[in-house]
Amino acid sequence: NAGVTQTPKFQVLKTGQSMTLQCAQDMNHNSMYWYRQDPGMGLRLIYYSASEGTTDKGEVPNGYNVSRLNKREFSLRLESAAPSQTSVYFCASSGTGVRGTEAFFGQGTRLTVV
Amino acid sequence: SQQGEEDPQALSIQEGENATMNCSYKTSINNLQWYRQNSGRGLVHLILIRSNEREKHSGRLRVTLDTSKKSSSLLITASRAADTASYFCATTPTGANSKLTFGKGITLSVRP
Repeated sequence: NAGVTQTPKFQVLKTGQSMTLQCAQDMNHNSMYWYRQDPGMGLRLIYYSASEGTTDKGEVPNGYNVSRLNKREFSLRLESAAPSQTSVYFCASSGTGVRGTEAFFGQGTRLTVV
Repeated sequence: SQQGEEDPQALSIQEGENATMNCSYKTSINNLQWYRQNSGRGLVHLILIRSNEREKHSGRLRVTLDTSKKSSSLLITASRAADTASYFCATTPTGANSKLTFGKGITLSVRP
């Protein structure tokens, strides 16, 4: 049982380049999330998906797009990377009980935009 | 702006002492969770308390929730050096069960 798998683990981009961060979970969870973590800012929600076929904006969606390809996979795309997008990105997933359940996190993608 | 806000931002204690961390939030919630993050790693779930619960225990952890004050506290008893980590509270707002948002976190250092 791998849990939540993110790829790549590290990436360096030049300003204006595009890339897609991949995330897959094998826990049959309905909900999936993308966060960014910056020093002193905690985790900020970029986008989330409550179920296959739905996505919603979080706190900081500008500059990002997402795709919920199927129940297992949730990708995050940067169309034109900017230095402000230098961050550590985390994917997470959770089941959906009536009052919510715990989230499981991937190990993160450290992205540097130069 | 972020939903949850932890207090204090940093805490340094001696091994064996208790650590108390607080979280305040802004809107009504379905539940509140606490997570731990060791340096450079993903977050790990510690405990969840539902909006109709006031207190919950798990091992050395005790969490309380006061919905009238929109606040929660996490108590770690008999701390160990291995408890050194960052701690985050997270909430899901009422009516948006999947929108899980986090605070900025508390850095806990436990001195041997």
